Amino acid sequence: DVVMTQSPLSLPVTLGQPASISCRSSQSLVYSDANTYLTWFQQRPGQSPRRLIYKVSDRDSGVPDRFSGSGSGTDFTLKISRVEAEDVGVYYCMQGTFWPYTFGQGTKLEIK
Amino acid sequence: EVQLLDSGGGWVQPGGSLRLSCAASGFTFSSYAMGWVRQAPGKGLEWVSVVSTSGVYTYYPDSMKGRFTISRDNSENTLDLQMHSLRVEDTAVYHCVKGSGGNVRVPDYWGQGTLVTVSS
Repeated sequence: DVVMTQSPLSLPVTLGQPASISCRSSQSLVYSDANTYLTWFQQRPGQSPRRLIYKVSDRDSGVPDRFSGSGSGTDFTLKISRVEAEDVGVYYCMQGTFWPYTFGQGTKLEIK
Repeated sequence: EVQLLDSGGGWVQPGGSLRLSCAASGFTFSSYAMGWVRQAPGKGLEWVSVVSTSGVYTYYPDSMKGRFTISRDNSENTLDLQMHSLRVEDTAVYHCVKGSGGNVRVPDYWGQGTLVTVSS
């Protein structure tokens, strides 16, 4: 199975400051159709995961533009330009290129 | 508005069986692949199964093959997961997940989840 490795696993951030989460895959996530199926989810406390970013950098409707995704091949990043209180939660990357699809371990973002 | 309502969870002894259901609304159910993802208490996320739009094609991780069966009823807009030979390590919240089209490579909506507890 493809292993997804996130870092850091814990991310204390001051309100208004930027945050960055790394996600690395054990093999390239480029699919035969030339798409890269790397998705980012946010899970707020007590809620189900919510999709933020898909295909590396496409932001979902309704997701604030302070969230952005980048990367290619095996190396991906989720960035929050200015952290707000509502961003507290756990962030997961997921690969949808190889079955079984797999998730990173999760990064817990908290406010300092 | 897309809604996925998960149900059927509960307590079961090791070796037992349980059937989970997901009632979908707010979209054309038959046009989207669907799946189940689980989350063990305090742990990360794990794919359990995927079913194609027609229900003909199903996919499972090796660890769940032969024990879990996913199915769908496109006339009733429901997704089911039949689980047999349950193990303590199957204890988790199970979420129904909607694909973005004919596959779930990029899942978009999740159900609220239903808790399955396997314990003696």
